[in-house]
Amino acid sequence: LAKTTQPISMDSYEGQEVNITCSHNNIATNDYITWYQQFPSQGPRFIIQGYKTKVTNEVASLFIPADRKSSTLSLPRVSLSDTAVYYCLVVPSYDKVIFGPGTSLSVIP
Amino acid sequence: NAGVTQTPKFQVLKTGQSMTLQCAQDMNHNSMYWYRQDPGMGLRLIYYSASEGTTDKGEVPNGYNVSRLNKREFSLRLESAAPSQTSVYFCASSEDSRPTQYFGPGTRLTVL
Repeated sequence: LAKTTQPISMDSYEGQEVNITCSHNNIATNDYITWYQQFPSQGPRFIIQGYKTKVTNEVASLFIPADRKSSTLSLPRVSLSDTAVYYCLVVPSYDKVIFGPGTSLSVIP
Repeated sequence: NAGVTQTPKFQVLKTGQSMTLQCAQDMNHNSMYWYRQDPGMGLRLIYYSASEGTTDKGEVPNGYNVSRLNKREFSLRLESAAPSQTSVYFCASSEDSRPTQYFGPGTRLTVL
């Protein structure tokens, strides 16, 4: 399973765009890049997933360069309710996943 | 559509006691998982079941057993609880072909 590295914590002011970058140098051909969000006392919630280039949904965008060795989760105009831990995972299309410590995002009023 | 449900929500045990955490999903998913999350840490996989009738060890299986009772249900058993097993336990499920997991609300377990 590919190992991921992401910042332990980030702070941002309300209304700003937040970009969280994840490194995954040994990503395999079959691996998808998946991001989860976790609020305190809740289970993780799927945010977005991609294989290459750019993916956008109603919550976030995911940018993946051609070499796929990193990815960036972009949260547009964050609000206080976006304060959470964000996990980057690199997983194959089957089998189990491994969660790292994630990035703790604090949104400041 | 309830998604993934877990019971109980909270539990306090004494050292040496046993208990079973229950998990059920109504999304017709083949794969199910049990994780534990200690304070300030990421999730660690205990056991998973790729399909009904199969189970495999994850990262931290010692002290736990699991049963995939049917396609919907996946239980986690602590035979002799220890204080080191104090944690929040999450159950999850996923489709075979997509690595997206759907998580339950968690069980907060304290072992005294």
